[in-house]
Amino acid sequence: KAGVTQTPRYLIKTRGQQVTLSCSPISGHRSVSWYQQTPGQGLQFLFEYFSETQRNKGNFPGRFSGRQFSNSRSEMNVSTLELGDSALYLCASSWGQGAMDTEAFFGQGTRLTVV
Amino acid sequence: AQTVTQSQPEMSVQEAETVTLSCTYDTSESDYYLFWYKQPPSRQMILVIRQEAYKQQNATENRFSVNFQKAAKSFSLKISDSQLGDAAMYFCAYKGYNDMRFGAGTRLTVKP
Repeated sequence: KAGVTQTPRYLIKTRGQQVTLSCSPISGHRSVSWYQQTPGQGLQFLFEYFSETQRNKGNFPGRFSGRQFSNSRSEMNVSTLELGDSALYLCASSWGQGAMDTEAFFGQGTRLTVV
Repeated sequence: AQTVTQSQPEMSVQEAETVTLSCTYDTSESDYYLFWYKQPPSRQMILVIRQEAYKQQNATENRFSVNFQKAAKSFSLKISDSQLGDAAMYFCAYKGYNDMRFGAGTRLTVKP
């Protein structure tokens, strides 16, 4: 079956702009989590969505937001981009609940560069 | 809050030899899962091995095995017969009732 799909793979934006990243989870998975990966801070949890509701949120400013649709696809939005937002953004999907929710499957990530 | 610590930023191993990557974690939860993920240069995070906290038996997956010490909150990864394709960043991860937490990673180099 298809894996986790993130689009676009690469993105270059200018400071002050906004950006929307997309993640399509594995079919049947209802949980989508987003992570920011940078050389200095490592992998940091942004938020998790389950059944269209934000279930957990990391310690990021309000410029970072997300949503999940009824088909479990998720989008992440960053407004008023800053140079420090340059990072690899990873999306992970999982069942989200129950005994089968034991691991997360990752997409290939979106490399965002802010100039 | 749960924290995951990987104290080895970089490790090196000779091809065909064995290497052990260290990981410790802190939690007050009784039920959780621990993972080792591999991230090669392609950036795709790949699950290497998983351990359920309630299982005393250490997980193994071919050349990969873990040493899980629940009381010590330690979860190390042993790679036997190292291959060039094992070169990557390795992340230890914890998942309890909330989100998955990752360690800072260990960069593994395999020398031919």
